[in-house]
Amino acid sequence: GAGVSQSPRYKVAKRGQDVALRCDPISGHVSLFWYQQALGQGPEFLTYFQNEAQLDKSGLPSDRFFAERPEGSVSTLKIQRTQQEDSAVYLCASSPPFTNQPQHFGDGTRLSIL
Amino acid sequence: QQQVKQSPQSLIVQKGGISIINCAYENTAFDYFPWYQQFPGKGPALLIAIRPDVSEKKEGRFTISFNKSAKQFSLHIMDSQPGDSATYFCAAPRGGTSYDKVIFGPGTSLSVIP
Repeated sequence: GAGVSQSPRYKVAKRGQDVALRCDPISGHVSLFWYQQALGQGPEFLTYFQNEAQLDKSGLPSDRFFAERPEGSVSTLKIQRTQQEDSAVYLCASSPPFTNQPQHFGDGTRLSIL
Repeated sequence: QQQVKQSPQSLIVQKGGISIINCAYENTAFDYFPWYQQFPGKGPALLIAIRPDVSEKKEGRFTISFNKSAKQFSLHIMDSQPGDSATYFCAAPRGGTSYDKVIFGPGTSLSVIP
């Protein structure tokens, strides 16, 4: 497909477990973003990559959150020692390298921490 | 903290009616104002966007009106249809940086009833 692909679509984990969420951006898109969307809220910025470089991680809520994009394409968001407040939909978006380009979102991973 | 305020929180419109959603922003550096549409279980998708040098932009049944002096912009959906039932987010990127970090409003849940 030509869109942003995220996996898994749903993830249930017990509190304290580590989870890894994957994002496959649109081919050729240099910019990649991760967002966290709580129920009934707008997406909130977590982190931004330009190619493999993580240029902004100011939105990551704690040092338990870690993101990487080692080859400038696929990205992984890892959450260590998950807490119940981590339950949310995690959205990935990609866009071309120019400013004011629309971001193309994946359908997200719904994470539930028990 | 930069913010984008959005109202109403929810909206019910009869089929064929006009849906109006309003947004207000604070940062004058914002230079691109997109609206995203999100269906349940899906990621946000760009609906329409406007730049502040234009007061209005129309695409089909969707129109953005922009009031730069008031720092407000609104989305009008003409001849609303049940298929328009979704959550709508206004957003604004922070200009002046090398990338676009989008700040989303809290969303408006639109229900179009037959």
